[in-house]
Amino acid sequence: GEDVEQSLFLSVREGDSSVINCTYTDSSSTYLYWYKQEPGAGLQLLTYIFSNMDMKQDQRLTVLLNKKDKHLSLRIADTQTGDSAIYFCAERTPVSGGYQKVTFGIGTKLQVIP
Amino acid sequence: DVKVTQSSRYLVKRTGEKVFLECVQDMDHENMFWYRQDPGLGLRLIYFSYDVKMKEKGDIPEGYSVSREKKERFSLILESASTNQTSMYLCASLLNTEAFFGQGTRLTVV
Repeated sequence: GEDVEQSLFLSVREGDSSVINCTYTDSSSTYLYWYKQEPGAGLQLLTYIFSNMDMKQDQRLTVLLNKKDKHLSLRIADTQTGDSAIYFCAERTPVSGGYQKVTFGIGTKLQVIP
Repeated sequence: DVKVTQSSRYLVKRTGEKVFLECVQDMDHENMFWYRQDPGLGLRLIYFSYDVKMKEKGDIPEGYSVSREKKERFSLILESASTNQTSMYLCASLLNTEAFFGQGTRLTVV
């Protein structure tokens, strides 16, 4: 079955790098995602990576995927107070009939200290 | 822009009531999902649907059912609401690389 795990909390100082980690169990994942949820707001897609890639960079965001260990990480460079939010890791996996489902982790709350 | 709309932002219902949560998307997506979000538990998948009249149980389907009569609309039904179903309910639809979320319905069962 699918299981996505993340640590609950991370605290960093403004200007430092943040690294949020995630592990998953389903080796048939096709895409892996990072979503951001600010207080009182909905979920917004930050970035995603295809399962056949091992790295993706998008401005301050770097996603690393270790498929062998089923480990995904999100690195935020030069973390700002506006990055304070809950970050959800998610995996997309195939189900019968060729369709897809998306399973989320519990979310990591990132606190940025000024 | 893709739009996923949930019919209510806030709902208060009594224990034992039948509750309908509606979700509509405007981009002809096949895949739609219902999650509930609870502190410390993240998003948990209740049900999903990959076509009209097709549905699959997610991780926590007990106490819920769904209806997908039209492609654009995916309804979550609480047959007999209980206090442990007090939660934030999120609907999503999936297109290619991204799942788009509605604004959420905060349901309180008293």
